Amino acid sequence: GQQVMQIPQYQHVQEGEDFTTYCNSSTTLSNIQWYKQRPGGHPVFLIQLVKSGEVKKQKRLTFQFGEAKKNSSLHITATQTTDVGTYFCVVSNSGYALNFGKGTSLLVTP
Amino acid sequence: NAGVTQTPKFQVLKTGQSMTLQCAQDMNHEYMSWYRQDPGMGLRLIHYSVGAGITDQGEVPNGYNVSRSTTEDFPLRLLSAAPSQTSVYFCASSYSTPGTGNQPQHFGDGTRLSIL
Repeated sequence: GQQVMQIPQYQHVQEGEDFTTYCNSSTTLSNIQWYKQRPGGHPVFLIQLVKSGEVKKQKRLTFQFGEAKKNSSLHITATQTTDVGTYFCVVSNSGYALNFGKGTSLLVTP
Repeated sequence: NAGVTQTPKFQVLKTGQSMTLQCAQDMNHEYMSWYRQDPGMGLRLIHYSVGAGITDQGEVPNGYNVSRSTTEDFPLRLLSAAPSQTSVYFCASSYSTPGTGNQPQHFGDGTRLSIL
């Protein structure tokens, strides 16, 4: 099945700094989803990207899908303590199963 | 709406015991799935169902059984619990299968299971 690698595994930033996590695949993806999981919580859907080169914004969050549809990124501008959590990229394996990356854990200190 | 409801929230079992983790959704979703989450491993798919009466294996199905007799319910059974099954279990649902377009997965709050 399709596997995705996320980097970095951990990131510690000061509040106000920017943050980026990357998701890479060796195969072309049909689409990619991003989820956020707060400590002790469950994953929550953020967005889905489908088109080559697609860029979507949600307030301070910017999501990109690579031109070759083999990579994606999530960028957070001016992090806040509320951004703490683990961010997962997720791809569809044959259309019936979802394959989660291992996630990037973000810690934001005031 | 309650969304996806998982019970119990916490459970401690002894090795060899069996139990069922319950999952129910009230959104009339066709697609349901079970994941386990272990530190540093992300979420790994155990079993999934594309509709009532239809189930299939995911990445890590050994030691687990599922059934889908109704659209609403998708219980996960541990046949003979082992310490390696200590994990956090999440149930998720979506309107349709992930490959059919924008299908956000709605997750339950999870069941934290410890096997001694």
